[in-house]
Amino acid sequence: DQQVKQNSPSLSVQEGRISILNCDYTNSMFDYFLWYKKYPAEGPTFLISISSIKDKNEDGRFTVFLNKSAKHLSLHIVPSQPGDSAVYFCAASGRTASKLTFGTGTRLQVTL
Amino acid sequence: DTAVSQTPKYLVTQMGNDKSIKCEQNLGHDTMYWYKQDSKKFLKIMFSYNNKELIINETVPNRFSPKSPDKAHLNLHINSLELGDSAVYFCASSYRVGTGGSTDTQYFGPGTRLTVL
Repeated sequence: DQQVKQNSPSLSVQEGRISILNCDYTNSMFDYFLWYKKYPAEGPTFLISISSIKDKNEDGRFTVFLNKSAKHLSLHIVPSQPGDSAVYFCAASGRTASKLTFGTGTRLQVTL
Repeated sequence: DTAVSQTPKYLVTQMGNDKSIKCEQNLGHDTMYWYKQDSKKFLKIMFSYNNKELIINETVPNRFSPKSPDKAHLNLHINSLELGDSAVYFCASSYRVGTGGSTDTQYFGPGTRLTVL
């Protein structure tokens, strides 16, 4: 049972444009959400997070939006840069979850 | 300074062997984890230890045995290796677990690619 889903396995965006990565979840007990970025042969790197009491969190070029009623979150990267090319994982946790549950990842390719 | 380190980075071994992967974190975190990333690139939790105490064991075969000598270390020992154990294993740590807040943020090691022949 996949509680965190990233339905787009890949995304290609031109440099300078906006990248939008989407994530859906099914467990209403999740109340903390994270995005991780992963380069090949490296571990996932924490990027940005959001608590369920907020609907937006911004850090530089990265913004995460949370729509609790739709159980949907998205990561916006603007402007996209070639160095952003990586696999992005969405993850969720909650007071009863005791762990992070990850999505299957979206491979972002930023082209010149 | 490396926050979460794992050794070895690559491990190639024969079926039936026993092997260990070591993990250390210098972040002062209380909780450590082992994840398996399979061929489909899905990251799935295997174990979690909080202050040397096992708190999560996600239906992993008994051949896998985590050991936490102190809260900065969590090692993974695998007995009687099988072909299906081939994967990348990631260690991670966080301040706490299950608080539903920023202390749940996990920091990952670089991974150990295990290949069973």
